[in-house]
Amino acid sequence: EVQLLESGGGLVQPGGSLRLSCTASGFTFSSPVMSWVRQAPGKGLEWVSAISGSGVSTFYADSVKGRFTISKDNSKNTLYLQMNTLRAEDTAVYYCAKNAGLSTIDYWGQGTLVTVSS
Amino acid sequence: QSVLTQPPSVSAAPGQKVTISCSGSSSNIGNNYVSWYQQLPGTAPKLLIYENNKRPSGIPDRFSGSKSGTSATLGITGLQTGDEADYYCATFDSSLWFGGGTKLTVL
Repeated sequence: EVQLLESGGGLVQPGGSLRLSCTASGFTFSSPVMSWVRQAPGKGLEWVSAISGSGVSTFYADSVKGRFTISKDNSKNTLYLQMNTLRAEDTAVYYCAKNAGLSTIDYWGQGTLVTVSS
Repeated sequence: QSVLTQPPSVSAAPGQKVTISCSGSSSNIGNNYVSWYQQLPGTAPKLLIYENNKRPSGIPDRFSGSKSGTSATLGITGLQTGDEADYYCATFDSSLWFGGGTKLTVL
């Protein structure tokens, strides 16, 4: 059974940093593309970032490019999202997600809430 | 702003059928697969349809997907109160894009 478990969310001041983690199990973690998707309160889904199975290739939404860094440790089955220079508009539930092709996410974590506020 | 357009809300009575549209363009839906997700209140999204019309294991055949040109449609038959949720379409257009979401109310 595929499981994705996020951690690391919390309250942070504008301009601050936070690192999210996602521990995966139930599949070969080094194979698929993995993504982070976020959902602001009362809003829709927004893709944030993705990383290839090997970790060599990374991709970012324009809204976070230059501020967020995605990475993974295949030896620990863990996906990360380092978030710097956080803004109020980054407030959202962040989901760790397993991709199945360019247009599909087949498994989602339960999400972790990030609140950027003074 | 998403590249995919969905109606904000749809409604129908229990037992009836409803369709949810997802409109895009040739750069996204026109040349890529579409997937659909169900998000029940307070929970993470769940994959309903992938590659336009395929259902993952465990998804009942009351849910169906189709694509024509630059638009896609999710159909739900035999509506149940438990189907009340937000539904999102998604496709690729230089990155993964989600529609704005459609809130389904089962009256």
